[in-house]
Amino acid sequence: KQEVTQIPAALSVPEGENLVLNCSFTDSAIYNLQWFRQDPGKGLTSLLLIQSSQREQTSGRLNASLDKSSGRSTLYIAASQPGDSATYLCAVSDYQLIWGAGTKLIIKP
Amino acid sequence: DVKVTQSSRYLVKRTGEKVFLECVQDMDHENMFWYRQDPGLGLRLIYFSYDVKMKEKGDIPEGYSVSREKKERFSLILESASTNQTSMYLCASSLLAGNTIYFGEGSWLTVV
Repeated sequence: KQEVTQIPAALSVPEGENLVLNCSFTDSAIYNLQWFRQDPGKGLTSLLLIQSSQREQTSGRLNASLDKSSGRSTLYIAASQPGDSATYLCAVSDYQLIWGAGTKLIIKP
Repeated sequence: DVKVTQSSRYLVKRTGEKVFLECVQDMDHENMFWYRQDPGLGLRLIYFSYDVKMKEKGDIPEGYSVSREKKERFSLILESASTNQTSMYLCASSLLAGNTIYFGEGSWLTVV
């Protein structure tokens, strides 16, 4: 059974730092992996989708990588800003979406 | 622009009431989903639908039913609300399985 883990559960860093969020999964037979952000009390916003045949995707200051063989994905955020503060979730897709519990990110001004 | 609309953001209902949560997407997506999100439990799939009038149980369907009479609308029904159904409910849609999934803003339901 696929399991998705995000460590750490929470992270606090000063503004301007580059940072990496981690997502690991137990079964490499996935179609794709998606990263989302969720602001408090709101729905989820899709950030990046990486197909299983891809190694990475970029959108602005965000870069997501995928290493299926090791069961890992990372979300790299460059030059972090207070507006990046949110919970970041990853989800892997096989037949259904399997969700991680998220990393709560706080960017300190 | 992509839009998933949940008609009610905040609801307070009494135990035993029948509750309808409505969701509409304007992207002609095939797949629609209902999740609930609770602190410490993460996102849990209640039901999903891959076509009109089709539905599949998710991980926690007990106490819920769904209706999809039109492609753009997916309704979640609590036949007899209970306090343990107090939660945030999230509707989502995707064009096909494995495509980007889009979420609504969520509906906060409190059952008293």
